[in-house]
Amino acid sequence: EPEVTQTPSHQVTQMGQEVILRCVPISNHLYFYWYRQILGQKVEFLVSFYNNEISEKSEIFDDQFSVERPDGSNFTLKIRSTKLEDSAMYFCASSAWDVPGETQYFGPGTRLLVL
Amino acid sequence: AQKITQTQPGMFVQEKEAVTLDCTYDTSDPSYGLFWYKQPSSGEMIFLIYQGSYDQQNATEGRYSLNFQKARKSANLVISASQLGDSAMYFCAMSPRGGGYQKVTFGTGTKLQVIP
Repeated sequence: EPEVTQTPSHQVTQMGQEVILRCVPISNHLYFYWYRQILGQKVEFLVSFYNNEISEKSEIFDDQFSVERPDGSNFTLKIRSTKLEDSAMYFCASSAWDVPGETQYFGPGTRLLVL
Repeated sequence: AQKITQTQPGMFVQEKEAVTLDCTYDTSDPSYGLFWYKQPSSGEMIFLIYQGSYDQQNATEGRYSLNFQKARKSANLVISASQLGDSAMYFCAMSPRGGGYQKVTFGTGTKLQVIP
């Protein structure tokens, strides 16, 4: 069964450093998303992406964040200058218009720890 | 804006028994989808079941069923014949329908523990 994959599974970085989180969405999906989950809290929407541009972004998704689809398979989230409060699980998700409810399928997540 | 409320932070259930996890929602969208996701301790987010707001019948997927009561704005998840592997966090979620790229709004989750 096709699935969303994410790398790395864990990332530790120093405050102020840049990180890039990578995702490979399900191959025939056209809509891509990033969410984050701070430890013990609920999942929060960051950004949606379609047709090579951002469709919607939350107030969390400020200028330190960017997304890119550098090729036909990868979808990346870049955090330019990490802060302590960026420590969280980051989930990539993808969906297709022809799936019931346009259900979003999530990857296994990347645990980011900012020291 | 959409809002999901899960009032049960934690639940216990005996193995092989059925359990209901509560979810209420609020939205002004005329058409929407309701979802349940499972998050085991390993952290991944696993899609379980979907219910469309205009679906006439309650959704079922194996041991999972969604008790959808539109007038009451509730979308409770029923897990039948609980197994030890069902121990996890369960999130109720919703999104507007249409447009393809709609963000999902999550509840705070219910931690289910299945007791042998």
